[in-house]
Amino acid sequence: QSVLTQPPSVSGAPGQRVTIPCTGSSSNIGSGYDVQWYQQLPGTGFKLLIYGNTNLPSGVPDRFSGSKSGTSASLTITGLQAEDEADFYCQSYDSSLSAVVFGGGTKLTVL
Amino acid sequence: EVQLLESGGDLVQPGGSLRLSCAASGFIFSNYAMNWVRQAPGKGLEWVSTIVAGGGGIYYSDSVKGRFTISRDNAKNTLYLQMNSLRPEDTGVYFCAKGMYMGFDGGFDYWGQGTLVTVSS
Repeated sequence: QSVLTQPPSVSGAPGQRVTIPCTGSSSNIGSGYDVQWYQQLPGTGFKLLIYGNTNLPSGVPDRFSGSKSGTSASLTITGLQAEDEADFYCQSYDSSLSAVVFGGGTKLTVL
Repeated sequence: EVQLLESGGDLVQPGGSLRLSCAASGFIFSNYAMNWVRQAPGKGLEWVSTIVAGGGGIYYSDSVKGRFTISRDNAKNTLYLQMNSLRPEDTGVYFCAKGMYMGFDGGFDYWGQGTLVTVSS
């Protein structure tokens, strides 16, 4: 059971917008710790999509965006493309556990 | 181009030991924290350990504390994970990940392809 909660799966048609929530608590996201988002593509490994809650690393399309409010964060993908189909993970830090924590992951299916 | 290449994964019996290595290139290794993250078969990600840039700060998850030891050789641009008293629940792919900063904060901006550790009799 992950400290950060994500839905197991989301889906959307090409061109649509999807949002993946990441719910934490007062000891992690709610304490102001930054949230990062990663994309795991089959065969190509992990890619950092969002850092510091809302920032895009160089090379990440601006179809991806991040937000944070209270004890939750979310990743939004607009203009869905078939190549976006992957697993997505949120990550933060938990002060009660003194540990880096991840969400359980969300599988995005492009219909 | 940043590259992280893990090695050392193997099949080992419960109670055994393994040493993982991660050879880094394409960035100034000594300037960044380095991390190990694992993924059990069909499961999500679990942070294992972090060592800060100078090696003076080391952090472990409760699940591996006292059994695993992280270290780095900045002269060889290599990260290590010594794994002792291995348990079946340690089975998974172990990823080396570069920290975004010198210290124990921020995210992981580059990941290796992983090395498989299987603990089974």
